[in-house]
Amino acid sequence: DTGVSQNPRHKITKRGQNVTFRCDPISEHNRLYWYRQTLGQGPEFLTYFQNEAQLEKSRLLSDRFSAERPKGSFSTLEIQRTEQGDSAMYLCASSLYRTGGRSGANVLTFGAGSRLTVL
Amino acid sequence: EDQVTQSPEALRLQEGESSSLNCSYTVSGLRGLFWYRQDPGKGPEFLFTLYSAGEEKEKERLKATLTKKESFLHITAPKPEDSATYLCAPGGRDDKIIFGKGTRLHILP
Repeated sequence: DTGVSQNPRHKITKRGQNVTFRCDPISEHNRLYWYRQTLGQGPEFLTYFQNEAQLEKSRLLSDRFSAERPKGSFSTLEIQRTEQGDSAMYLCASSLYRTGGRSGANVLTFGAGSRLTVL
Repeated sequence: EDQVTQSPEALRLQEGESSSLNCSYTVSGLRGLFWYRQDPGKGPEFLFTLYSAGEEKEKERLKATLTKKESFLHITAPKPEDSATYLCAPGGRDDKIIFGKGTRLHILP
């Protein structure tokens, strides 16, 4: 397995344009998370999926952001009408969630991220 | 609302100078406290999971400990290659894993 793959690695766009990022998780992982990270800050939670179901979306996330995981495998994160404040690193992570046991929270494996610059 | 605070924000140490990083958290129904390491331009890399107060985990020069409200990452005799940002991430009842802002650690040779 090659780990979590994110594409594109870098995207430069003009304000007002739409952008889409793709994440391919580790194949056997059933959970997929999206985070946003700006310089000097920790990753900020955006949303997460279990299989194809979106379980939670951050209240801080505007309606311009949408994420999908249509077949429970890869996921896309789309940002419509980009703004300069959207410039950040967008991180995807996946995990194998198991019910019961010691903990339901599982270890996240992160991709290298997709860096967005909005001019 | 779940919260996590890390201190200090940045730390410069001489090679071999031991220290500790702090993570204070308020999470409903903690289901795991994670520590990650992040190098510039890369995604975070998993280090440890702690599940209950009193638990300790070790890996090379790093040791993580957990209380009901805090976790510490102790670094013993660090080397320059330990320079990175260390992130603390508690996972709550809803399995939404939130991250602190991190501690940027710089080890001087």
